[in-house]
Amino acid sequence: QSALTQPASVSGSPGQSITISCTGTSSDVGGYNYVSWYQQHPGKAPKLMIYDVSKRPSGVSNRFSGSKSGNTASLTISGLQAEDEADYYCCSYAGSSIVVFGGGTKLTVL
Amino acid sequence: QVQLQESGPGLVKPSETLSLTCTVSGYSISSGYYWGWIRQPPGKGLEWIGSIYHSGSTYYNPSLKSRVTISVDTSKNQFSLKLSSVTAADTAVYYCARVSSPTWFDPWGQGTLVTVSS
Repeated sequence: QSALTQPASVSGSPGQSITISCTGTSSDVGGYNYVSWYQQHPGKAPKLMIYDVSKRPSGVSNRFSGSKSGNTASLTISGLQAEDEADYYCCSYAGSSIVVFGGGTKLTVL
Repeated sequence: QVQLQESGPGLVKPSETLSLTCTVSGYSISSGYYWGWIRQPPGKGLEWIGSIYHSGSTYYNPSLKSRVTISVDTSKNQFSLKLSSVTAADTAVYYCARVSSPTWFDPWGQGTLVTVSS
């Protein structure tokens, strides 16, 4: 299976909202409501931010939200803060117990 | 609070087998969940390697399947990764994580860098 497609980079100013897309196929993103998103700061392990497309784990700010339309999932961060600057990865179930990650998006807070 | 910790050699020679162990604390592996391995080459993205259920059922990335073995030792509350015939392309930070069905990873271990070099 191929990696999911994410933009290499996105940027926004503090207080603004940004959206990161994650495009797959009908065999992964489009076929299941099992998309998750991870935040990774430099030198740190990834942190789960969204699971099952739009659910937020306990402790994750409600500024983070997820959605899906067709073969594309999206992560939206509202009220951007400096601490949101990090790499973000999407992940999807691809059937037959297979998992595929996106290539990652670097978020810069201007 | 569930915690995971990777351990194993930081340097492996080309053509040899990479072996890592993930020790789980705060939760008994035999109680359930899947347990997975993910890797990240320096400066690159995440790649799922494979997952194992507490009963021993395994699922592997098709691109690595011929070289990967994941096993579980419930008596030690550990699960392990073996990757054979390694090359420089296998140099990466290797993470272990608990997997909630079917595909979200939480929590993660801190990761361990494995370098393949002679």
